[in-house]
Amino acid sequence: NAGVTQTPKFQVLKTGQSMTLQCAQDMNHNSMYWYRQDPGMGLRLIYYSASEGTTDKGEVPNGYNVSRLNKREFSLRLESAAPSQTSVYFCASSEGRSLGEQFFGPGTRLTVL
Amino acid sequence: QKEVEQNSGPLSVPEGAIASLNCTYSDRGSQSFFWYRQYSGKSPELIMFIYSNGDKEDGRFTAQLNKASQYVSLLIRDSQPSDSATYLCAVRDSPGAGSYQLTFGKGTKLSVIP
Repeated sequence: NAGVTQTPKFQVLKTGQSMTLQCAQDMNHNSMYWYRQDPGMGLRLIYYSASEGTTDKGEVPNGYNVSRLNKREFSLRLESAAPSQTSVYFCASSEGRSLGEQFFGPGTRLTVL
Repeated sequence: QKEVEQNSGPLSVPEGAIASLNCTYSDRGSQSFFWYRQYSGKSPELIMFIYSNGDKEDGRFTAQLNKASQYVSLLIRDSQPSDSATYLCAVRDSPGAGSYQLTFGKGTKLSVIP
């Protein structure tokens, strides 16, 4: 099992460009999450999907959109990238019941110039 | 606003010593608590979870929970240089919130000195 996979690993964008970060999990988990991690700020939730077909805003949703394509895949889109979106992005998944432990992908390091 | 507080460190301990990492949380209804380890440049890795008051041991790691004091800790016995990492405390939303979200602390950086 690969667990949670993310693509790409690294990306450099210019201000105003758009891109989509891809995430997939093979653990048959119901819930998926997108976080950003910035120095001194910790992990902050951008969007989450409690189950297939649903998405909800997290703590810092502005400037992002998400799509829960199917049970396995959850993508994050930046429509018009800004330097403030320079960060490391992590996707995570959880069963969605029980204790709620989340498992993380390897991350995408994004730089917006 | 739910909050999870950790001392940012760095916490330095000599090899072989016990490292004690602490976390407090604001949501009294929280019931599940997690410790993640994050090496520099890597993603968070789940190492322990606890949901009952008291201690839970797994190898060199012991998680301690005191819901009355809203306090959770992680003890690492016989610390090794390979334990040097940032440790994140995470708290699950209260039951009934329906979202199964975790609120993370900002992490404590641990350095084990050989």
